[in-house]
Amino acid sequence: GAVVSQHPSWVICKSGTSVKIECRSLDFQATTMFWYRQFPKQSLMLMATSNEGSKATYEQGVEKDKFLINHASLTLSTLTVTSAHPEDSSFYICSASVLGLEEQYFGPGTRLTVT
Amino acid sequence: RKEVEQDPGPFNVPEGATVAFNCTYSNSASQSFFWYRQDCRKEPKLLMSVYSSGNEDGRFTAQLNRASQYISLLIRDSKLSDSATYLCVVNGNNDMRFGAGTRLTVKP
Repeated sequence: GAVVSQHPSWVICKSGTSVKIECRSLDFQATTMFWYRQFPKQSLMLMATSNEGSKATYEQGVEKDKFLINHASLTLSTLTVTSAHPEDSSFYICSASVLGLEEQYFGPGTRLTVT
Repeated sequence: RKEVEQDPGPFNVPEGATVAFNCTYSNSASQSFFWYRQDCRKEPKLLMSVYSSGNEDGRFTAQLNRASQYISLLIRDSKLSDSATYLCVVNGNNDMRFGAGTRLTVKP
């Protein structure tokens, strides 16, 4: 149990375009989903936390107008990277947790390359 | 000071060796602690939770020292398959903070 999927797993896009990444909890209802970014050889960095039906809480330094997060249901959250630039190229990982349980279940990640 | 600090390594050890990683955290109100394992270009996977009394899972032993605000991970009888990056994760009020990870390479 506790499977989280992400789609797509790998995407290449041109600078200036927008990319949407989906994160789904397949066999449980996730009240909270988290979005992380990881640059090569660096740690995971939390970008934002989203609770179903409410606005995401962004970490300091993360532009909420650039990284749009929608958590419309208990099984789906989306991250849209708007007007992508090459410096946005990174590994984006989502995770999901169930209210009251502290363990997070990670998706397989999405590798974004902006050319 | 970073919220969660780890020695980045790399730790290069022969098969069968015992290796230990430490991790310090700055938030004294942190409530729960974990070790995750991350293979290259993959998502982190939970290795084990860390309990106040210490806990063991096979070759892996985790310990928590709240007074000194550090956690440790001990791996005995290292296997080639243990080669990975080990992430220390500290949680306070559903706010997970990751260490930068410690890279371990186990060599034949």
